[in-house]
Amino acid sequence: KQEVTQIPAALSVPEGENLVLNCSFTDSAIYNLQWFRQDPGKGLTSLLLIQSSQREQTSGRLNASLDKSSGRSTLYIAASQPGDSATYLCAVRLQTGGFKTIFGAGTRLFVKA
Amino acid sequence: DAGITQSPRYKITETGRQVTLMCHQTWSHSYMFWYRQDLGHGLRLIYYSAAADITDKGEVPDGYVVSRSKTENFPLTLESATRSQTSVYFCASSERLRGSSYNSPLHFGNGTRLTVT
Repeated sequence: KQEVTQIPAALSVPEGENLVLNCSFTDSAIYNLQWFRQDPGKGLTSLLLIQSSQREQTSGRLNASLDKSSGRSTLYIAASQPGDSATYLCAVRLQTGGFKTIFGAGTRLFVKA
Repeated sequence: DAGITQSPRYKITETGRQVTLMCHQTWSHSYMFWYRQDLGHGLRLIYYSAAADITDKGEVPDGYVVSRSKTENFPLTLESATRSQTSVYFCASSERLRGSSYNSPLHFGNGTRLTVT
C-alpha cells in the first residue's frame, strides 16, 4: 500500500532563509509527483508536477526534485517570504488504480517577517 | 474568471437529508474529481469522471452519487447524509493530454465545508 510521508510536519523560519521540504513515498510505481500549496480555508494550488521520467522542475523560487528509486522528493524554496506561509502538500499519482492519487499530510510553513 | 467554482462554500444539514454540492469549471477540462479532506486522513478520492456521462469510483465512494451530463459541471450528491460525511469537499479538474493524461496537473476549487448534525 502506497504511503506518502512529509517531514517536518511544521516549520518556522525567518524571512530570507532557504528551506527544504521533504516528501517520501513507499511505492516507486508512479506516474508523477505533484507539489501543492494550501492556504487556510482555501483549495490546493498546484506548484510543480514532476513526471516519473524527470529529475526536477523549477518555477521561480521553487525547485522540486524527484528520486523515484529511493522514493523521495524535495521542494526547495529560495529566499523565503512571509507570503510563502502555507501548508505544502505532495501527492503521487499511482500507476495502478486509474487516477488514484495519494496525498501526504502536508508541512505547515510559517515564515517570520 | 476562469477556474473551478464550488457552491455552496458552507453547508449545514441534518442526518438523513439529501444534499448536493456543485462544481463548475470553465477550462473545458475533460477530467473532474471529487475529494474529501479530513484530519488524520488527508485528501481521499470519492469519484472521478473522464468525460461527460463517464464516471468511476475512487477510494471512498459509499454514500455518494455523481453525475456529469455536461463537461463543465460535476455535482456530488449525498443521498442520506451521515455525521461521518462531515468534511471539507474539494472538486478538481485536469485536462486531457496527448500521450498520458495521468500527467496532467490537478487544479482545485476552494472547497465546500459540510457539517452534518
